[in-house]
Amino acid sequence: GENVEQHPSTLSVQEGDSAVIKCTYSDSASNYFPWYKQELGKRPQLIIDIRSNVGEKKDQRIAVTLNKTAKHFSLHITETQPEDSAVYFCAASKGTSTGTASKLTFGTGTRLQVTL
Amino acid sequence: SAVISQKPSRDICQRGTSLTIQCQVDSQVTMMFWYRQQPGQSLTLIATANQGSEATYESGFVIDKFPISRPNLTFSTLTVSNMSPEDSSIYLCSVGGEEKLFFGSGTQLSVL
Repeated sequence: GENVEQHPSTLSVQEGDSAVIKCTYSDSASNYFPWYKQELGKRPQLIIDIRSNVGEKKDQRIAVTLNKTAKHFSLHITETQPEDSAVYFCAASKGTSTGTASKLTFGTGTRLQVTL
Repeated sequence: SAVISQKPSRDICQRGTSLTIQCQVDSQVTMMFWYRQQPGQSLTLIATANQGSEATYESGFVIDKFPISRPNLTFSTLTVSNMSPEDSSIYLCSVGGEEKLFFGSGTQLSVL
């Protein structure tokens, strides 16, 4: 089955700096790669996702890049703020031909701390 | 995105007992998933619950321990049976909408 590795496990940055979290996946059939943010005691929240036919996607201060050949994808957060502090999970799935949701395999998580 | 209600939000149970967790969605969804998140860990898929068919369990999870019901397109239950302290986790239901998955608020289970 799919295996998703995520690095680093913890990341501390100063407010205003950029943060990068990297993931690799094993199954070349995977074609959908979401990122979730989980604050303490709360549910995981989808923050951005990318499909295999796209190399990069941006949404304000966050962006995701995908390298299908190398089977890795990354989350980039620019101009970090204290409210970005949370645990971030990458995930991968094969999707379906009809575009409906498919099960996700999650990475191990990155605890991001943004310090003042 | 769909509104996903999960209950109970938390419970403390004695070993050997069972707990049923409910997941209610405000719209019809084809795919529902149950995940477990052990303390400080990532999310692990327990099973996929499809309406009108048996749930599909992932390796390491069995129906006798985690029976699932999916009576219609807006509701599912997960039962944690014959609980032990190792079952102490957060259990999350997740629903799919056009490839994206969204999570319920979770059930924090502590087994004494």
